[in-house]
Amino acid sequence: GAVVSQHPSRVICKSGTSVKIECRSLDFQATTMFWYRQFPKQSLMLMATSNEGSKATYEQGVEKDKFLINHASLTLSTLTVTSAHPEDSSFYICSARERRPYEQYFGPGTRLTVT
Amino acid sequence: ILNVEQSPQSLHVQEGDSTNFTCSFPSSNFYALHWYRWETAKSPEALFVMTLNGDEKKKGRISATLNTKEGYSYLYIKGSQPEDSATYLCASLPSNSGGSNYKLTFGKGTLLTVNP
Repeated sequence: GAVVSQHPSRVICKSGTSVKIECRSLDFQATTMFWYRQFPKQSLMLMATSNEGSKATYEQGVEKDKFLINHASLTLSTLTVTSAHPEDSSFYICSARERRPYEQYFGPGTRLTVT
Repeated sequence: ILNVEQSPQSLHVQEGDSTNFTCSFPSSNFYALHWYRWETAKSPEALFVMTLNGDEKKKGRISATLNTKEGYSYLYIKGSQPEDSATYLCASLPSNSGGSNYKLTFGKGTLLTVNP
């Protein structure tokens, strides 16, 4: 099956700093990438959808200036959490979709802790 | 049902037991139902994508059924093994999911622990 990598797997940062998370599709071209966030005991919540070469579409309630998404190529998307605060501590996971219908593949996720 | 709901939230079974769990989703505006298997520290692994009412799919000891009219899907595991221990997620895709509207709505998952 298709493989999606995500780095780093864990990151601890100080409040006010920015953190970048990378998501790569390793063996296919991802026309669309998704970023999700999961709080403890909750479901995966979609934050934003990005198509290669265009601006990301953010879900209601997600601050686009705080969560910067760049989908510069068909294999790479990045999520930058800017001026992170403790309430941004969460599990972030990316997903990539290729042209075939229905198929969506996930990275292993990133645990962000803001101190 | 407005959201995707999964039950039970968790369960423990003994090795060799068969088990099943439920995913409920909005039956109106339905397009597809996904099942994923998610082991700790790994990527969620796609198990099934189901679209048609009455659909049944099987992968080894794992199978799933779909009822789109009443909005539920069952996942069955026959003869559970310790390596089946994982969180099983289902996600619904609505029918207006073309282009930028392609959005999976996830349940909270069912955490399965298989004791040896």
